[in-house]
Amino acid sequence: DIVMTQTPLSSPVTLGQPASISCRSSQSLVHSDGNTYLSWLQQRPGQPPRLLIYKISNRFSGVPDRFSGSGAGTDFTLKISRVEAEDVGVYYCMQATQSYTFGQGTKLEIK
Amino acid sequence: QVQLVESGGGVVQPGRSLRLSCAASGFTFSTYGVHWVRQAPGKGLEWVAAISYDGGDKFFADSVKGRFTISRDNSKNTLYLQMNSLRAEDTAVYYCAIMLHGDSWAFDYWGQGTLVAVSS
Repeated sequence: DIVMTQTPLSSPVTLGQPASISCRSSQSLVHSDGNTYLSWLQQRPGQPPRLLIYKISNRFSGVPDRFSGSGAGTDFTLKISRVEAEDVGVYYCMQATQSYTFGQGTKLEIK
Repeated sequence: QVQLVESGGGVVQPGRSLRLSCAASGFTFSTYGVHWVRQAPGKGLEWVAAISYDGGDKFFADSVKGRFTISRDNSKNTLYLQMNSLRAEDTAVYYCAIMLHGDSWAFDYWGQGTLVAVSS
């Protein structure tokens, strides 16, 4: 199984400041079709997860452009350019290249 | 709009069975694979099972293989998860989720979830 490891597990951030979350996979996420199926989800308190980013860097419909994704192979990053209050929650990376596995989650909170 | 509504959760004793349902609307259910993902209290997300659009292919996490079965009724736009031999570690919120945008291979729509508590 592919193991997804996120860092940090907790991230206190000042409103208006940037935030960054790292996700590393135990093996390359490049699929045999050439795509890399790495996505990012946000889970606000008491809510189901919500898709933010798919295939490393594609923002899902309705997702603000302050969210961006990057990376390749086994190392990926989610960045929030300027954190807003509504961004509080837990962020998960997920791979769908070989079955489906999630990172442990990173809790984003406001300082 | 796309809606997924889970039901069937509750408190159940270890070793007993429970069947979850997920009612879908707002899209052509019969043309999409559907998944179950669970989340133990205060923990992260774990993929559980998936079924192809026509029910012909089924996939399970090792943690539930042999105990859970997945099925669907396309005439009723409904997904099911039959959970047998339940264990305390199966306690979780169970979500159904889909990958509506075909080339994303990401869960773009989720239900609100239904809570299963396995306890004596």
